[in-house]
Amino acid sequence: DAKTTQPPSMDCAEGRAANLPCNHSTISGNEYVYWYRQIHSQGPQYIIHGLKNNETNEMASLIITEDRKSSTLILPHATLRDTAVYYCIVRVKGDSSYKLIFGSGTRLLVRP
Amino acid sequence: GAVVSQHPSRVICKSGTSVKIECRSLDFQATTMFWYRQFPKQSLMLMATSNEGSKATYEQGVEKDKFLINHASLTLSTLTVTSAHPEDSSFYICSGSGMNTEAFFGQGTRLTVV
Repeated sequence: DAKTTQPPSMDCAEGRAANLPCNHSTISGNEYVYWYRQIHSQGPQYIIHGLKNNETNEMASLIITEDRKSSTLILPHATLRDTAVYYCIVRVKGDSSYKLIFGSGTRLLVRP
Repeated sequence: GAVVSQHPSRVICKSGTSVKIECRSLDFQATTMFWYRQFPKQSLMLMATSNEGSKATYEQGVEKDKFLINHASLTLSTLTVTSAHPEDSSFYICSGSGMNTEAFFGQGTRLTVV
């Protein structure tokens, strides 16, 4: 089962920041938080990941709370092409390797 | 990011036949590959995980004799859906991960069994 909960949908205006929250209250100390997004009928696209420090790359910023029980993905200037389903995932240890278990995600709609 | 190529992108097959889907990592060595299935309006469901040269580890409820996974090299994994039935129609997505790298996903294969 996924270890994350996200709001089912959100919207924001084009050009504004999109802040997508995620709860992962049962996360373990060595489990990373990953964010992916999926545009309709395509494979998921990697966005960013982190362990406990805040992270930033050319796509987004990831803010992780000090207790690591929640995080927020920030798209600083959303565009129409950012409309997608965003998945927050806790990478867990499987029998043979780490694995990504997807939850239900947040459907982000960027409005013109 | 790294590139994972999946082929075919779409396939239609008759009920009772088998279908093979290929997943290639083009610019990195995928020590681990993952296969997911996604039904309409649902999230991705992990089917199995495979390490190069080892047998795949299947998630609970996934029939290993029906969904055959081969990961014979660091750049290629295949999923064969055997004796396909209409209920196997779905979007199948592979993902590859190298040592200490994030997972990169293929573009998916839409399987329709008629």
